[in-house]
Amino acid sequence: ETGVTQSPTHLIKTRGQQVTLRCSSQSGHNTVSWYQQALGQGPQFIFQYYREEENGRGNFPPRFSGLQFPNYSSELNVNALELDDSALYLCASSWTQGAGELFFGEGSRLTVL
Amino acid sequence: QQQVKQSPQSLIVQKGGISIINCAYENTAFDYFPWYQQFPGKGPALLIAIRPDVSEKKEGRFTISFNKSAKQFSLHIMDSQPGDSATYFCAAQDSGGSNYKLTFGKGTLLTVNP
Repeated sequence: ETGVTQSPTHLIKTRGQQVTLRCSSQSGHNTVSWYQQALGQGPQFIFQYYREEENGRGNFPPRFSGLQFPNYSSELNVNALELDDSALYLCASSWTQGAGELFFGEGSRLTVL
Repeated sequence: QQQVKQSPQSLIVQKGGISIINCAYENTAFDYFPWYQQFPGKGPALLIAIRPDVSEKKEGRFTISFNKSAKQFSLHIMDSQPGDSATYFCAAQDSGGSNYKLTFGKGTLLTVNP
């Protein structure tokens, strides 16, 4: 059983650029959530996807968008990058939309210069 | 607005000692309270979780104590080991809400000295 995998692991972008982060969910999981973890902070909820539809969103602007594919893998897209977007982006998959264990990947470390 | 407040920010404990991390929440709709452990370079991993219908849950050396009236919960690590050195996050969720988000505390960096 493979766990949650994310790519790329590290990347550097400049302000104003766009970035796409990818996530493969754990086998059997149909729900994917994305979190942003700034240095020294706890993860903050960006949004969740269930059966290819966004079904929950945190306090992030529309330039943060996502997709979930039929195989339950997912992408996080961020447009018009700002310096404050520098963070570790974590993908988590689960069997359910509601309360229950989240299985996190190791994250994608984004640096915006 | 920080809905889950966690303390202390950092904690140093000797091997064999007890580590205690505290969290307080504001939203009375929260009904699921997990603790996650994160090692450097890794994603968080679920350690133990509790629902408010019980006041305590124990799994091995890890115990959650829950005080619904005070809106507080804590993690106790008994017989702390150097391998327990990690960052610990408390979290809370309203499982009946439509948002499905998990709200995390800011984390506690635990160092267990040998």
